Amino acid sequence: SAVISQKPSRDICQRGTSLTIQCQVDSQVTMMFWYRQQPGQSLTLIATANQGSEATYESGFVIDKFPISRPNLTFSTLTVSNMSPEDSSIYLCSVDTPGLANTEAFFGQGTRLTVV
Amino acid sequence: AQKVTQAQTEISVVEKEDVTLDCVYETRDTTYYLFWYKQPPSGELVFLIRRNSFDEQNEISGRYSWNFQKSTSSFNFTITASQVVDSAVYFCALISGTYKYIFGTGTRLKVLA
Repeated sequence: SAVISQKPSRDICQRGTSLTIQCQVDSQVTMMFWYRQQPGQSLTLIATANQGSEATYESGFVIDKFPISRPNLTFSTLTVSNMSPEDSSIYLCSVDTPGLANTEAFFGQGTRLTVV
Repeated sequence: AQKVTQAQTEISVVEKEDVTLDCVYETRDTTYYLFWYKQPPSGELVFLIRRNSFDEQNEISGRYSWNFQKSTSSFNFTITASQVVDSAVYFCALISGTYKYIFGTGTRLKVLA
């Protein structure tokens, strides 16, 4: 199994500012993902963080708003830029073991973001 | 198209009652994986079970049991003798063809003392 540390666990931010969320895994993983969970909603995939290349964004999410870094196989960051109250959500980092046959996702504890 | 439907938005039961959470999925792939996650009020996602498409055996783990039926594309979750600590949002999810999870909209379970 993988242990994921996500920081910060929660934050209250002013609109117009940016917040960077960190995701640290205790072992090297191939796949790292970032999800958003808006209040009362399900999880939506923002992007796949690719090591050594640009992240792959899902429809409706763009790099300018959610820049992602993946400098190595154990670490990734997600930045929520120029925040507005609509960005208030839980943001979760997820990692997956290589090979679909062994698929089992592990999630960080989430970052609960409130934008005021 | 891939989709997960959890038609029950919220369920309330009295402690010690049994409760079943429904999950219906759609996929054209023959190889896929189904999951259940629990999200307590603290917000973290707790992994409960993974099932692959080739294993239709039902599974029991303590008070939890899962019924996987490919014929009806369903993967239902039953909690026996529910407890207040079971109160949470439960998500059913699907992986099919890629590593990306398709989550259902979740079912909020309230267990009343």
